[in-house]
Amino acid sequence: AQSVSQHNHHVILSEAASLELGCNYSYGGTVNLFWYVQYPGQHLQLLLKYFSGDPLVKGIKGFEAEFIKSKFSFNLRKPSVQWSDTAEYFCAVTARNNNDMRFGAGTRLTVKP
Amino acid sequence: KAGVTQTPRYLIKTRGQQVTLSCSPISGHRSVSWYQQTPGQGLQFLFEYFSETQRNKGNFPGRFSGRQFSNSRSEMNVSTLELGDSALYLCASRVGTEDTQYFGPGTRLTVL
Repeated sequence: AQSVSQHNHHVILSEAASLELGCNYSYGGTVNLFWYVQYPGQHLQLLLKYFSGDPLVKGIKGFEAEFIKSKFSFNLRKPSVQWSDTAEYFCAVTARNNNDMRFGAGTRLTVKP
Repeated sequence: KAGVTQTPRYLIKTRGQQVTLSCSPISGHRSVSWYQQTPGQGLQFLFEYFSETQRNKGNFPGRFSGRQFSNSRSEMNVSTLELGDSALYLCASRVGTEDTQYFGPGTRLTVL
């Protein structure tokens, strides 16, 4: 079965700093990749997803992620974070042949004003 | 379109009891998945139902079970509750089993 690793447990940034959150998965076959965000007190929301095609995908709120197949990675980026980006970010993967979604442990992002 | 709804939002039970949680998917979505979220274990997949059939199951004991009705609504049951079952239980729906999942607000279960 597939698994997901998020290496950063807690990231603290100042407003306007650039963000990159790491996500690596282990699975030998074809995958679909996702980033979800959970704002304090709110439910999980989809930021962006990759199914196929252009490996650089753009999501909501200025986020983007790049799928690098050779590195089994799907890192999330944002050039300039805002205080409102404070949240927990989850990388997730589904394998094309079983469809159950596996999540990483999550990365808590704190943006200081 | 209304989002995924879960009831109840909060629940307190004691050890040994059983509990049933309910999930109503987005209209037109036929797949419903359940997840357990805890601070220690993160988000863990419980099971997925599609057209009233369980398609996938995570690594949870048999005390955790579910079902889906013909209108795609789903219920999850946990029997003989243990303290470690305290968690946020999330439901997610999607149109088919290859599509993006949309999550509900969760049911916060506390076992005393």
